[in-house]
Amino acid sequence: AQKITQTQPGMFVQEKEAVTLDCTYDTSDPSYGLFWYKQPSSGEMIFLIYQGSYDQQNATEGRYSLNFQKARKSANLVISASQLGDSAMYFCAMRERGGGGNKLTFGTGTQLKVEL
Amino acid sequence: DVKVTQSSRYLVKRTGEKVFLECVQDMDHENMFWYRQDPGLGLRLIYFSYDVKMKEKGDIPEGYSVSREKKERFSLILESASTNQTSMYLCASSPTRDRGNEKLFFGSGTQLSVL
Repeated sequence: AQKITQTQPGMFVQEKEAVTLDCTYDTSDPSYGLFWYKQPSSGEMIFLIYQGSYDQQNATEGRYSLNFQKARKSANLVISASQLGDSAMYFCAMRERGGGGNKLTFGTGTQLKVEL
Repeated sequence: DVKVTQSSRYLVKRTGEKVFLECVQDMDHENMFWYRQDPGLGLRLIYFSYDVKMKEKGDIPEGYSVSREKKERFSLILESASTNQTSMYLCASSPTRDRGNEKLFFGSGTQLSVL
């Protein structure tokens, strides 16, 4: 079974609109962390936001927020006021405490295109 | 700023060649990782290391080996390159601080083509 599922291979959004990128996860570990990374066409992986399983509030970082619904095992990324520079591939990832060495398991990604 | 440096941005090799992909980090991180990225498959973990001379298999270790002789350097080795190993290879590192929120720092990737 997939540990991280991103069901949207591609998304389009108009500039200045908000967009939600979906991520669901599967784990039996009570302690885990969820990450979102952005990969522009240049190929670099840019860390965006982190949510811990015990965090009481949804994480926010500037225009990025994480809609964390623990019971549904979802960790959707919300980008507000989209900009052309947000066009990129976005990856959701999970770290389980029971796993070794701080490794992250990644989803298959969502390609976001911001249009004028 | 943390820097993770991969020795080559693009590499073209022939089937059967032995290939070395090198990765160096400058932040004294304990953990280092090798992922490969393929369209539609995301990033998949090949090998990782949490200490010098220590290595652990990831999800897709077949056809690969690794070496970590020094803390800052983590090498990925393709003993006999095959065409199905054509891919983008990403190296990453992270500290161990047991808070769980330690992010991975990535290199810029090596696009390997095996002909």
